[in-house]
Amino acid sequence: EVQLVQSGGEVRKPGDSLKISCTGSGYSFTNNWVAWVRQLPGKGLEWMGIIYPGDSDTRYSPSFQGQVTISADKSITTAYLQWSSLKASDTAIYYCARLSGYYVSGTYYYGLDVWGLGTTVTVSS
Amino acid sequence: EVVMTQSPATLSVSPGERATLSCRASQSVRSKLAWYQHKPGQAPRLLIYGASTRATGIPARFSGSGSGTEFTLTISSLQSEDFAVYYCQQYNNGDGSFGPGTKVDIK
Repeated sequence: EVQLVQSGGEVRKPGDSLKISCTGSGYSFTNNWVAWVRQLPGKGLEWMGIIYPGDSDTRYSPSFQGQVTISADKSITTAYLQWSSLKASDTAIYYCARLSGYYVSGTYYYGLDVWGLGTTVTVSS
Repeated sequence: EVVMTQSPATLSVSPGERATLSCRASQSVRSKLAWYQHKPGQAPRLLIYGASTRATGIPARFSGSGSGTEFTLTISSLQSEDFAVYYCQQYNNGDGSFGPGTKVDIK
């Protein structure tokens, strides 16, 4: 079964560091981009960035560049999202998802076809 | 950065009726547009990629159209399990972004 398993919910204080994980199985983790998506309480989905575990090529959304670090360890088929200093505004659900490419009539199209169940991060003093 | 907008924010529909959701991109994304369904407490679900191709296992009542900057998701006959929030999303060359979502609720 193709799946992404995310680490459990976290409660931290402002200023704390944090690293959450997303472990893939049932497919070639190394050869598929993994995306991170944020959902603030009561709000919509936000694209944070993606990583290609094969070579750790990482692309950040401008809104998240410098705010978080995305990394991966292909030897254990795991992607990570980390913060060096959390803020209350980082309170959210964080999803990882596989970005799959579909070749249609000479062009590649992409979609997030496999998702983790999300990690809830709560930052509160 | 490509900014996505969606309308309406909320759509109230009776079961069995048709729902039409709109998505607009701030610049052309050609057909590099996907649609997702998201229910509370669940992970989002890919419905459509390439603007009009249904993902594996998605019922035929879901259809997508459009290219460039204007896109539409149509649900031909709403079932009870279709009441959810729907997002459009563009992706091209490492850059992605979601629209703010349209909530489809029961009229």
